[in-house]
Amino acid sequence: DAGITQSPRHKVTETGTPVTLRCHQTENHRYMYWYRQDPGHGLRLIHYSYGVKDTDKGEVSDGYSVSRSKTEDFLLTLESATSSQTSVYFCATTLGETQYFGPGTRLLVL
Amino acid sequence: KQEVTQIPAALSVPEGENLVLNCSFTDSAIYNLQWFRQDPGKGLTSLLLIQSSQREQTSGRLNASLDKSSGRSTLYIAASQPGDSATYLCAVRQGGSEKLVFGKGTKLTVNP
Repeated sequence: DAGITQSPRHKVTETGTPVTLRCHQTENHRYMYWYRQDPGHGLRLIHYSYGVKDTDKGEVSDGYSVSRSKTEDFLLTLESATSSQTSVYFCATTLGETQYFGPGTRLLVL
Repeated sequence: KQEVTQIPAALSVPEGENLVLNCSFTDSAIYNLQWFRQDPGKGLTSLLLIQSSQREQTSGRLNASLDKSSGRSTLYIAASQPGDSATYLCAVRQGGSEKLVFGKGTKLTVNP
């Protein structure tokens, strides 16, 4: 258990509104990741961070931005939510070689 | 671009059976391979990690093997139990990258 929490755990929002998801870790891990999981696509990397204020894009970064102002927090923002962003979002951290995952956030965009 | 494939997508077996889950990847220049378990509505839990220089790793009833040259890994589960029912995912990390590429998973059901 890498002490990863995600908030909110469930969210319903409307198309066009901004949404921010939060990932918090207690283990001081350097690397943090945001994934989305969708049926038929599996897990896909959105953005990742390799330190405070150091972030990079993953394979499905369009429409998403991230920020990391503290080691323990990694925020994912949907700038203007669309129905295609309805998904389950997972945060993860890496300790050594092993990746640890949070419990996920279910987002429904109507 | 690395692609990871898991076949079959779903598998149903009776309790007590030994079983093998398969994972294949297209680019053999991997740094390591990791097997995860995901229960419904939950996050992923790491089961085993195999470095590119290793051939296998074992944890309890689980044994993972890696054949890097052929782009294949298997997860062997001995004496399966209903509690093993879950989706199993494999993921590879490329050399020089901190990113993982995931397969879509195999959904395992172990029937009592």
